[in-house]
Amino acid sequence: KAGVTQTPRYLIKTRGQQVTLSCSPISGHRSVSWYQQTPGQGLQFLFEYFSETQRNKGNFPGRFSGRQFSNSRSEMNVSTLELGDSALYLCASPIGDRGPNFVNTGELFFGEGSRLTVL
Amino acid sequence: GQNIDQPTEMTATEGAIVQINCTYQTSGFNGLFWYQQHAGEAPTFLSYNVLDGLEEKGRFSSFLSRSKGYSYLLLKELQMKDSASYLCAVSPSGGYQKVTFGIGTKLQVIP
Repeated sequence: KAGVTQTPRYLIKTRGQQVTLSCSPISGHRSVSWYQQTPGQGLQFLFEYFSETQRNKGNFPGRFSGRQFSNSRSEMNVSTLELGDSALYLCASPIGDRGPNFVNTGELFFGEGSRLTVL
Repeated sequence: GQNIDQPTEMTATEGAIVQINCTYQTSGFNGLFWYQQHAGEAPTFLSYNVLDGLEEKGRFSSFLSRSKGYSYLLLKELQMKDSASYLCAVSPSGGYQKVTFGIGTKLQVIP
C-alpha cells in the first residue's frame, strides 16, 4: 500500500514567481490536507480537500490555492512568491480514510514534503 | 482560535525518562495528538487522547487533562534514536481535518 507521495521534493524559486506542488494521497483515500512548516511558526494548516471539494481553509492569503482531481491527487499553488514562503510544504492523508466508512479521527499520515526555497 | 504551548528544547540522557508538556487553549476540542518528527523527515503519529487519563504504548505514554488544557508525552528508557522534535496537536470540535500543531519540542538525547 503506497504512502503519501509529494513532488517535487526540493525546489528553488525567486520572488514573484509562482509554484505548483503535487500530492498523491494513500491509495483509495479521498481526503488530502496541506500544511506549511517553518522554524518560527511550526506546522500551519493550509487547506483540506475531500472528493474534489475544499472543505476547510486556514488563514493564508489568497496567493495560496489548491485543487483536487477525480483521482484524489491534489495540487497546491502559490503565486507571487515572497521570501517568507520558504518552507516545507507537507501533504497529509487521514489514517481513518477507508472509503465509504470514513472516520476521520484527525490522525494524519504525512508525505515527505516539498521543500521550497524562495530567493 | 487555537493556542498550543510546549517547550522549545529539552535535553535528556540515554536510558532516562523525559516528560514533554503541552498546554492548549481551544475554542472546541475533539482530541489531542502527539507526533514525532526526525530532522529532515515527515512527522509520524505517536498517540491520540480523547478522554482524560493516560494512554500507554510501549515506551511512550501520553496523558490528557481536558479541564486543565494540559497534556504530556512521557518517554521511557530513552534511546539515541528518540532525538527528534515532538509536536503536540489539537483537533477542534467539528473539524477533524483542521488539526492545529504546536511549534514542537526538540529533544536531544545524550549518552
